[in-house]
Amino acid sequence: AQTVTQSQPEMSVQEAETVTLSCTYDTSESDYYLFWYKQPPSRQMILVIRQEAYKQQNATENRFSVNFQKAAKSFSLKISDSQLGDAAMYFCAYRSAGGATNKLIFGTGTLLAVQP
Amino acid sequence: DSGVTQTPKHLITATGQRVTLRCSPRSGDLSVYWYQQSLDQGLQFLIQYYNGEERAKGNILERFSAQQFPDLHSELNLSSLELGDSALYFCASSVVSHGELFFGEGSRLTVL
Repeated sequence: AQTVTQSQPEMSVQEAETVTLSCTYDTSESDYYLFWYKQPPSRQMILVIRQEAYKQQNATENRFSVNFQKAAKSFSLKISDSQLGDAAMYFCAYRSAGGATNKLIFGTGTLLAVQP
Repeated sequence: DSGVTQTPKHLITATGQRVTLRCSPRSGDLSVYWYQQSLDQGLQFLIQYYNGEERAKGNILERFSAQQFPDLHSELNLSSLELGDSALYFCASSVVSHGELFFGEGSRLTVL
């Protein structure tokens, strides 16, 4: 079974600085998707960024980028120019590309605090 | 706005009672997923439906059941409620051939 591990329960960053959140996963599959979701205090689950495993190029969405290392099964999220609104719980998630189900498997989350 | 609608947003009930949570997926999405998030916990997959049929089952208790109707909306039924069932219940939908899930705002259940 696939697993997702986030080893940093909490992180803190100064406003305008850069922070990197770590995520590792375990799978025997070759084709899958990886995601970062953000959960602010409102508790809404918001998609931050996605990465297809077959793509070597790292995904980027404005201030958010990932470092996808397929061989190492690592998928970290870099937030540049951090803003107060980035404070949230961040979840890393894995999803098989094939098979009968496409459920998301989540890590335990990293709580990010942004200091003014 | 993700396009996924969940009702009710908040629900308070007593132990032993039964409640129904409702979810309307995004237009065109055939898959519906239910997740449970207990206090300060991650998201636990409960069950998935695809076009009316159960597709996958996760850590769903026997006291819980779900279904997806012909109009694709879904309901999660929770019965014989216990204090430990207090949680945020999320519904999500997706186009199966694509990657991401789109989440509703969740239904917060409090069992007293």
